[in-house]
Amino acid sequence: GQQVQQSPASLVLQEGENAELQCNFSTSLNSMQWFYQRPGGSLVSLFYNPSGTKHSGRLTSTTVIKERRSSLHISSSQTTDSGTYLCALERPGANTGKLTFGHGTILRVHP
Amino acid sequence: ETAVFQTPNYHVTQVGNEVSFNCKQTLGHDTMYWYKQDSKKLLKIMFSYNNKQLIVNETVPRRFSPQSSDKAHLNLRIKSVEPEDSAVYLCASRPGQINERLFFGHGTKLSVL
Repeated sequence: GQQVQQSPASLVLQEGENAELQCNFSTSLNSMQWFYQRPGGSLVSLFYNPSGTKHSGRLTSTTVIKERRSSLHISSSQTTDSGTYLCALERPGANTGKLTFGHGTILRVHP
Repeated sequence: ETAVFQTPNYHVTQVGNEVSFNCKQTLGHDTMYWYKQDSKKLLKIMFSYNNKQLIVNETVPRRFSPQSSDKAHLNLRIKSVEPEDSAVYLCASRPGQINERLFFGHGTKLSVL
């Protein structure tokens, strides 16, 4: 089954609203990363967050290993936040650096 | 700022043709990857190289072959493309093998007619 589940699959916001994106995983992990992808664009690493909470501007990532979940919070959303948000986990033990990705959350922010 | 460079950006070809994609990173990283992103946006690893050595080779058809001349370059050749090869191919790099950020290129979109 799918090892990394993201929710919601898509989200529509009005500019200024906040968003909470979820990533649930069914295996143990070494690390969790969040990426942003604009349509037709490359993946940009937002957070490398194996555990705990990290902040970057309007973005906050929280990973709770015991509960097997990670979240990405976007505050005061802007139209330029529109795109796909992907989480990816790296499993321990394999020593290969292989990331397992979720299907992503498509975010649309309207003005 | 892009530091993982992929060429071409797009490629349209017919079934049975051979294609090659290039990837170069200027970050001094030791490990490079090829990922495939399908139409549903799901990314799956294809290959991983560490310092020119093959580390990961997922269940990928034999018509796919990676080529690395040095640790800054990782190319991908597809001998005889099939319709299901239509996808975006993303190259990535990271300093070591595990527990570090991954840096991606813009991707090469392949369309097989």
